[in-house]
Amino acid sequence: GDSVTQMEGPVTLSEEAFLTINCTYTATGYPSLFWYVQYPGEGLQLLLKATKADDKGSNKGFEATYRKETTSFHLEKGSVQVSDSAVYFCALSDQAAGNKLTFGGGTRVLVKP
Amino acid sequence: DTGVSQNPRHKITKRGQNVTFRCDPISEHNRLYWYRQTLGQGPEFLTYFQNEAQLEKSRLLSDRFSAERPKGSFSTLEIQRTEQGDSAMYLCASSYGTGANTGELFFGEGSRLTVL
Repeated sequence: GDSVTQMEGPVTLSEEAFLTINCTYTATGYPSLFWYVQYPGEGLQLLLKATKADDKGSNKGFEATYRKETTSFHLEKGSVQVSDSAVYFCALSDQAAGNKLTFGGGTRVLVKP
Repeated sequence: DTGVSQNPRHKITKRGQNVTFRCDPISEHNRLYWYRQTLGQGPEFLTYFQNEAQLEKSRLLSDRFSAERPKGSFSTLEIQRTEQGDSAMYLCASSYGTGANTGELFFGEGSRLTVL
């Protein structure tokens, strides 16, 4: 079945550091890929998405590129802020597996001033 | 638009009791999803509805779990004879999807269940 694997946290960074969170996936079809973020005390929110190979999703300074050849969708941000402290979830939606999201385990990011 | 609303936000119950959670989706959304999230893990899919039809159920959804969406609007998730292993955050999400296009899922803040 479909699965998503992302790097375990916590990831602790200083403000203005570069952030990368690795995400790889296994899917039977041609999935759409997503990053969701969960800020403390809040619900999951969509951060960015990409629907086909080589697409780049971007939002709030975050970027991720859909790499079919490596089945990856790594999240990056060039200069993090304290407000980026959250849990980040990589997810996929595979038409062949029905209309639902399959999530990775989440990566907690803590940005220190 | 007030977003996806879930009630109650917290529920503490004794093992063997029944509990029910309610989800009110965004009004124009036709799809509604239930997920379960345990501490330190990602959300796990339980079931989803398109309008009032329950189209898919996960193997995680044992026969003690039942979900309904009677008029294609709000949904309820009932857990009968709760067990300690049912302790988790139960998340509801909704989207407007057509055909194979899932649409963006909007999540509620969740209902946390603690079974003593």
